[in-house]
Amino acid sequence: AQSVTQLDSQVPVFEEAPVELRCNYSSSVSVYLFWYVQYPNQGLQLLLKYLSGSTLVKGINGFEAEFNKSQTSFHLRKPSVHISDTAEYFCAVAQGGKLIFGQGTELSVKP
Amino acid sequence: DVKVTQSSRYLVKRTGEKVFLECVQDMDHENMFWYRQDPGLGLRLIYFSYDVKMKEKGDIPEGYSVSREKKERFSLILESASTNQTSMYLCASSGVGEGTEAFFGQGTRLTVV
Repeated sequence: AQSVTQLDSQVPVFEEAPVELRCNYSSSVSVYLFWYVQYPNQGLQLLLKYLSGSTLVKGINGFEAEFNKSQTSFHLRKPSVHISDTAEYFCAVAQGGKLIFGQGTELSVKP
Repeated sequence: DVKVTQSSRYLVKRTGEKVFLECVQDMDHENMFWYRQDPGLGLRLIYFSYDVKMKEKGDIPEGYSVSREKKERFSLILESASTNQTSMYLCASSGVGEGTEAFFGQGTRLTVV
């Protein structure tokens, strides 16, 4: 069975600083990976996904992620964060038509 | 605008009550899911459904059941609510295919007292 590990439960960062949220997945022949964001008191919305092709995936709100097969990682990055990026971020892998989620990373952007 | 709608944002129920959480999607999706979200544990799958009247257990089905009588509606049932079922419950739907996006409802925060 697939599994996902998010390596940081909380990431505090100052506004306009770069950020990386780390995600590792268990190895598989083929893998489909996702990053979702949950703003306070809301459901989850898709940031980006990797299905195949280019290992650098661009998403909404200036986020991007890099698929690294050798390291079984799918880290999320943004070069300059805003206060409005404060949210919880979830990495997920597809398995049998359903999504398996990591534990989540709380990104806190401070002025 | 695509939508997954959960019937309640907040619910308070007593121990032992039978609780129904309702979810409706307007995207004609085949797949529907119920997740439970707890701090530090992420989202854990309770049940999912690939079609009307079909259901499969997820990772934590104990104490829950589901019903899918119509394609657009997926209900989560707590047969006898307990305090350890106090949590945020998220419904989602998706189309067919491994890489398709799942769309989520706003969540229902259930407190069992």
